[in-house]
Amino acid sequence: EDKVVQSPLSLVVHEGDTVTLNCSYEVTNFRSLLWYKQEKKAPTFLFMLTSSGIEKKSGRLSSILDKKELFSILNITATQTGDSAIYLCAVESYNQGGKLIFGQGTELSVKP
Amino acid sequence: IAGITQAPTSQILAAGRRMTLRCTQDMRHNAMYWYRQDLGLGLRLIHYSNTAGTTGKGEVPDGYSVSRANTDDFPLTLASAVPSQTSVYFCASSPTGISTGELFFGEGSRLTVL
Repeated sequence: EDKVVQSPLSLVVHEGDTVTLNCSYEVTNFRSLLWYKQEKKAPTFLFMLTSSGIEKKSGRLSSILDKKELFSILNITATQTGDSAIYLCAVESYNQGGKLIFGQGTELSVKP
Repeated sequence: IAGITQAPTSQILAAGRRMTLRCTQDMRHNAMYWYRQDLGLGLRLIHYSNTAGTTGKGEVPDGYSVSRANTDDFPLTLASAVPSQTSVYFCASSPTGISTGELFFGEGSRLTVL
Protein backbone atom coordinates (compact mmCIF):
# COMPACT_ATOMS: atom_id res chain seq x y z
CA GLU A 1 0.00 0.00 0.00
CA ASP A 2 1.34 3.42 -0.94
CA LYS A 3 2.02 5.68 2.00
CA VAL A 4 3.64 8.96 2.97
CA VAL A 5 4.92 9.65 6.50
CA GLN A 6 5.96 13.05 7.80
CA SER A 7 7.97 13.89 10.89
CA PRO A 8 7.82 15.49 13.28
CA LEU A 9 4.05 15.89 13.53
CA SER A 10 4.49 19.18 15.35
CA LEU A 11 7.34 21.52 16.08
CA VAL A 12 7.75 24.72 18.08
CA VAL A 13 10.71 27.00 17.38
CA HIS A 14 11.72 30.62 17.94
CA GLU A 15 12.14 33.25 15.28
CA GLY A 16 15.52 32.98 13.60
CA ASP A 17 15.83 29.23 14.09
CA THR A 18 16.38 26.86 11.18
CA VAL A 19 14.03 23.91 10.86
CA THR A 20 14.08 20.70 8.85
CA LEU A 21 10.87 18.86 8.07
CA ASN A 22 10.99 15.26 6.92
CA CYS A 23 8.90 13.24 4.49
CA SER A 24 9.43 9.57 3.71
CA TYR A 25 7.41 7.56 1.26
CA GLU A 26 6.68 4.11 -0.07
CA VAL A 27 5.11 4.42 -3.49
CA THR A 28 5.09 2.18 -6.52
CA ASN A 29 6.13 3.93 -9.73
CA PHE A 30 7.04 7.23 -8.15
CA ARG A 31 6.46 10.28 -10.31
CA SER A 32 6.95 13.36 -8.12
CA LEU A 33 6.93 14.68 -4.55
CA LEU A 34 5.27 17.94 -3.64
CA TRP A 35 5.33 20.25 -0.64
CA TYR A 36 2.42 22.48 0.34
CA LYS A 37 1.98 25.11 3.04
CA GLN A 38 -1.39 25.36 4.77
CA GLU A 39 -2.11 28.38 6.92
CA LYS A 40 -5.70 29.13 7.81
CA LYS A 41 -7.46 27.41 4.97
CA ALA A 42 -6.37 26.19 1.55
CA PRO A 43 -2.98 24.53 1.03
CA THR A 44 -0.71 26.47 -1.29
CA PHE A 45 1.96 24.95 -3.48
CA LEU A 46 5.63 25.28 -2.53
CA PHE A 47 7.75 22.82 -4.52
CA MET A 48 7.57 19.87 -6.84
CA LEU A 49 10.55 17.50 -6.90
CA THR A 50 11.14 14.80 -9.45
CA SER A 51 14.90 14.23 -9.51
CA SER A 52 17.25 13.18 -6.74
CA GLY A 53 19.83 15.58 -5.41
CA ILE A 54 18.56 18.72 -7.12
CA GLU A 55 17.67 21.38 -4.60
CA LYS A 56 14.64 23.55 -5.16
CA LYS A 57 14.86 26.93 -3.48
CA SER A 58 12.51 29.80 -2.88
CA GLY A 59 13.73 32.51 -0.55
CA ARG A 60 14.34 30.98 2.87
CA LEU A 61 12.74 27.69 1.90
CA SER A 62 14.52 24.86 0.15
CA SER A 63 13.81 21.21 -0.51
CA ILE A 64 15.64 18.20 -1.81
CA LEU A 65 14.66 14.67 -2.78
CA ASP A 66 16.52 11.39 -2.29
CA LYS A 67 14.91 8.75 -4.51
CA LYS A 68 17.27 6.03 -3.33
CA GLU A 69 16.42 6.44 0.35
CA LEU A 70 12.82 7.49 -0.46
CA PHE A 71 12.63 10.74 1.44
CA SER A 72 12.59 14.48 1.09
CA ILE A 73 13.38 17.33 3.45
CA LEU A 74 12.05 20.84 3.58
CA ASN A 75 14.37 23.39 5.17
CA ILE A 76 13.35 26.79 6.43
CA THR A 77 16.14 29.12 7.50
CA ALA A 78 15.80 32.24 9.68
CA THR A 79 12.20 31.34 10.53
CA GLN A 80 9.60 34.05 10.97
CA THR A 81 6.21 33.98 12.70
CA GLY A 82 4.64 34.00 9.24
CA ASP A 83 6.14 30.57 8.63
CA SER A 84 3.75 29.12 11.20
CA ALA A 85 1.58 26.67 9.29
CA ILE A 86 0.96 23.03 8.54
CA TYR A 87 3.40 21.74 5.96
CA LEU A 88 2.07 18.95 3.80
CA CYS A 89 4.09 16.47 1.78
CA ALA A 90 2.42 14.57 -1.05
CA VAL A 91 3.59 11.99 -3.54
CA GLU A 92 2.35 11.36 -7.04
CA SER A 93 2.52 7.88 -8.53
CA TYR A 94 2.02 6.80 -12.11
CA ASN A 95 -0.01 3.91 -10.73
CA GLN A 96 -2.49 6.25 -9.10
CA GLY A 97 -3.28 8.06 -12.34
CA GLY A 98 -1.69 11.23 -11.09
CA LYS A 99 -3.62 11.46 -7.83
CA LEU A 100 -1.69 12.71 -4.82
CA ILE A 101 -1.12 10.74 -1.62
CA PHE A 102 -0.64 13.06 1.34
CA GLY A 103 1.25 12.65 4.58
CA GLN A 104 -0.22 13.65 7.94
CA GLY A 105 1.40 17.06 7.85
CA THR A 106 3.84 18.81 10.19
CA GLU A 107 2.44 21.65 12.27
CA LEU A 108 5.13 24.31 12.69
CA SER A 109 4.74 27.06 15.24
CA VAL A 110 7.27 29.91 15.22
CA LYS A 111 7.31 31.96 18.42
CA PRO A 112 8.50 35.60 18.50
CA ILE B 1 -10.39 36.33 -9.45
CA ALA B 2 -9.80 32.92 -10.99
CA GLY B 3 -9.86 29.95 -8.68
CA ILE B 4 -12.00 27.43 -6.89
CA THR B 5 -15.12 28.35 -4.96
CA GLN B 6 -16.58 26.05 -2.35
CA ALA B 7 -19.92 26.38 -0.57
CA PRO B 8 -20.96 26.35 2.15
CA THR B 9 -17.95 27.52 4.18
CA SER B 10 -19.29 25.65 7.18
CA GLN B 11 -22.37 23.64 8.03
CA ILE B 12 -23.81 21.80 11.00
CA LEU B 13 -25.93 18.87 9.98
CA ALA B 14 -28.08 16.31 11.75
CA ALA B 15 -27.15 12.68 11.21
CA GLY B 16 -29.20 11.04 8.49
CA ARG B 17 -29.65 14.22 6.49
CA ARG B 18 -28.55 14.61 2.89
CA MET B 19 -25.95 17.26 2.12
CA THR B 20 -24.28 18.51 -1.04
CA LEU B 21 -21.02 20.44 -0.94
CA ARG B 22 -20.58 22.59 -3.99
CA CYS B 23 -17.36 23.23 -5.88
CA THR B 24 -16.91 25.45 -8.92
CA GLN B 25 -13.69 26.34 -10.74
CA ASP B 26 -13.17 28.89 -13.48
CA MET B 27 -9.70 27.84 -14.60
CA ARG B 28 -10.97 25.33 -17.18
CA HIS B 29 -9.01 22.58 -15.44
CA ASN B 30 -9.80 19.08 -16.60
CA ALA B 31 -9.21 17.24 -13.34
CA MET B 32 -11.01 17.85 -10.05
CA TYR B 33 -10.74 16.19 -6.65
CA TRP B 34 -12.43 16.04 -3.28
CA TYR B 35 -10.30 15.52 -0.16
CA ARG B 36 -11.21 15.38 3.50
CA GLN B 37 -8.77 16.59 6.14
CA ASP B 38 -8.80 15.12 9.63
CA LEU B 39 -6.38 15.74 12.49
CA GLY B 40 -3.48 13.31 12.38
CA LEU B 41 -4.58 11.80 9.07
CA GLY B 42 -3.69 14.48 6.59
CA LEU B 43 -5.63 14.87 3.36
CA ARG B 44 -7.39 11.78 2.04
CA LEU B 45 -8.87 11.53 -1.43
CA ILE B 46 -12.61 10.81 -1.57
CA HIS B 47 -13.44 10.98 -5.28
CA TYR B 48 -11.89 12.46 -8.36
CA SER B 49 -12.73 13.28 -11.96
CA ASN B 50 -10.12 13.38 -14.71
CA THR B 51 -12.46 15.07 -17.16
CA ALA B 52 -16.09 16.09 -17.51
CA GLY B 53 -18.36 13.04 -17.64
CA THR B 54 -16.01 10.71 -15.74
CA THR B 55 -15.48 10.07 -12.04
CA GLY B 56 -13.47 7.66 -9.93
CA LYS B 57 -13.14 6.50 -6.34
CA GLY B 58 -10.33 7.62 -4.12
CA GLU B 59 -9.06 6.28 -0.83
CA VAL B 60 -12.20 6.88 1.28
CA PRO B 61 -15.24 6.93 -1.06
CA ASP B 62 -17.84 5.17 1.10
CA GLY B 63 -20.84 7.34 1.98
CA TYR B 64 -20.02 9.92 -0.69
CA SER B 65 -20.98 10.41 -4.32
CA VAL B 66 -19.93 12.89 -6.98
CA SER B 67 -20.97 13.97 -10.45
CA ARG B 68 -19.18 15.89 -13.18
CA ALA B 69 -21.76 17.13 -15.65
CA ASN B 70 -19.49 19.89 -16.94
CA THR B 71 -15.91 21.13 -16.63
CA ASP B 72 -16.57 23.72 -13.97
CA ASP B 73 -18.67 21.98 -11.32
CA PHE B 74 -17.90 19.00 -9.10
CA PRO B 75 -20.43 18.61 -6.27
CA LEU B 76 -19.92 16.12 -3.43
CA THR B 77 -23.02 14.55 -1.92
CA LEU B 78 -23.44 12.80 1.41
CA ALA B 79 -26.63 10.78 0.97
CA SER B 80 -27.17 10.14 4.68
CA ALA B 81 -24.64 11.92 6.86
CA VAL B 82 -22.99 10.17 9.81
CA PRO B 83 -20.88 11.70 12.63
CA SER B 84 -17.67 10.15 11.22
CA GLN B 85 -18.10 12.42 8.22
CA THR B 86 -17.40 15.42 10.41
CA SER B 87 -14.36 16.90 8.71
CA VAL B 88 -12.99 19.72 6.61
CA TYR B 89 -13.57 19.07 2.93
CA PHE B 90 -11.33 20.50 0.23
CA CYS B 91 -12.07 20.62 -3.46
CA ALA B 92 -9.05 20.85 -5.75
CA SER B 93 -8.29 20.96 -9.44
CA SER B 94 -5.37 20.47 -11.80
CA PRO B 95 -4.92 21.34 -15.47
CA THR B 96 -4.64 17.85 -16.90
CA GLY B 97 -6.27 14.50 -16.30
CA ILE B 98 -2.94 12.95 -15.44
CA SER B 99 -1.90 15.49 -12.85
CA THR B 100 1.19 17.57 -13.43
CA GLY B 101 1.44 17.40 -9.69
CA GLU B 102 0.33 20.81 -8.56
CA LEU B 103 -3.19 21.03 -7.21
CA PHE B 104 -5.15 24.22 -6.73
CA PHE B 105 -7.32 24.10 -3.63
CA GLY B 106 -10.54 25.76 -2.59
CA GLU B 107 -10.87 27.36 0.83
CA GLY B 108 -12.55 24.32 2.35
CA SER B 109 -15.95 23.45 3.79
CA ARG B 110 -16.14 22.59 7.46
CA LEU B 111 -18.88 20.04 8.08
CA THR B 112 -20.09 18.94 11.50
CA VAL B 113 -22.50 16.00 11.71
CA LEU B 114 -24.31 15.64 15.02
